[in-house]
Amino acid sequence: DTAVSQTPKYLVTQMGNDKSIKCEQNLGHDTMYWYKQDSKKFLKIMFSYNNKELIINETVPNRFSPKSPDKAHLNLHINSLELGDSAVYFCASSQEHSSGLAGGPEDYEQYFGPGTRLTVT
Amino acid sequence: ELKVEQNPLFLSMQEGKNYTIYCNYSTTSDRLYWYRQDPGKSLESLFVLLSNGAVKQEGRLMASLDTKARLSTLHITAAVHDLSATYFCAVDSPAYSGAGSYQLTFGKGTKLSVIP
Repeated sequence: DTAVSQTPKYLVTQMGNDKSIKCEQNLGHDTMYWYKQDSKKFLKIMFSYNNKELIINETVPNRFSPKSPDKAHLNLHINSLELGDSAVYFCASSQEHSSGLAGGPEDYEQYFGPGTRLTVT
Repeated sequence: ELKVEQNPLFLSMQEGKNYTIYCNYSTTSDRLYWYRQDPGKSLESLFVLLSNGAVKQEGRLMASLDTKARLSTLHITAAVHDLSATYFCAVDSPAYSGAGSYQLTFGKGTKLSVIP
């Protein structure tokens, strides 16, 4: 039983194309995230989303857009792909992640998907 | 802006030796996480530290948190080759001032190589 799944695992495409990466979680979590890991292995949050709030990291180009058809899915759409978009993209999920939550470690833990390696040529 | 600094970034150690990875962060946070990543793989959660003085141990790894010093450590005892991986610390903070949602800021990772 895969907790957080992503498709595809590998994506090779040309500059200028539009592509999507899908993410699904079966943990019943309320919050989902997208992260980008660059070639130096540095991880950076791109988006966090729950039914109340979409938070976009200010450094993310508006060519990137998350779309959530339901609570279990958060897909990532990328328009007009550029060479610099080549990276590994990770989806993650957690329980609703708010300042008001006062639970145990399991409430805060983020579970990561297997990653999608995007190569733009 | 929250900054999370790990050191060292690269660590080569012999089997059987002990070592500590340090994680410093720049603003107040109540939650700190350690993750492990093997090459080409996803991130595996190791520890979630929720309060000042928290200490957690799993096998040869022990993590601690000092919120006053804004410092967490990951101590490796009697290293074995299977511990070779990249270790990340990450700190929770509000996405922006007054935000209800929190986001993780990661350190750059410590690449650990354990040599037989």
